[in-house]
Amino acid sequence: DGGITQSPKYLFRKEGQNVTLSCEQNLNHDAMYWYRQDPGQGLRLIYYSQIVNDFQKGDIAEGYSVSREKKESFPLTVTSAQKNPTAFYLCASSQTGTGAYNEQFFGPGTRLTVL
Amino acid sequence: DAKTTQPPSMDCAEGRAANLPCNHSTISGNEYVYWYRQIHSQGPQYIIHGLKNNETNEMASLIITEDRKSSTLILPHATLRDTAVYYCIVRVRGNQGGKLIFGQGTELSVKP
Repeated sequence: DGGITQSPKYLFRKEGQNVTLSCEQNLNHDAMYWYRQDPGQGLRLIYYSQIVNDFQKGDIAEGYSVSREKKESFPLTVTSAQKNPTAFYLCASSQTGTGAYNEQFFGPGTRLTVL
Repeated sequence: DAKTTQPPSMDCAEGRAANLPCNHSTISGNEYVYWYRQIHSQGPQYIIHGLKNNETNEMASLIITEDRKSSTLILPHATLRDTAVYYCIVRVRGNQGGKLIFGQGTELSVKP
């Protein structure tokens, strides 16, 4: 089945440790995105990438890093510099281009808890 | 900031139509209205989008006012599985940034 996978679904880490969240898609989409969601809130964009080896900061990029070495993969690292990392993290992908039907498809999310 | 305003919550009886309103009074001519929904602890799911004409698909109908300052998402026969947070979003279709600006949405509760 085509789609987006995120692993793990739940992740616990100690304060001060870096942690990397996985996101893989087999939809052949060029663009991928990372969002953060806090309880009772909408999603906020962390980073996005429109093509391999290129990515841009979103609205809340501080304390996060990403890489895009392969089209199907867009891992997110939550660093110790992120002051409040406990949240629900969502990855998405979409086609690109003005002619594309480019709604975003979301993964199931990873719930990160920093102890 | 989100460019849309939605009521924070709504109830609907199972089998009835659910009508979810959205105000987007500052929408630009090249911006589309998109609707997504998020079932608890899952990723958002695309529902429908439109520019100025009414749209219908297998999930829902979208009614956009003639002045485009507001719209209504209609779930014709709501089921318990439609209980979710519904987000109304305006964006330029095909913009290279691809950013979706989510507000707080409407929490729809479908009751038996």
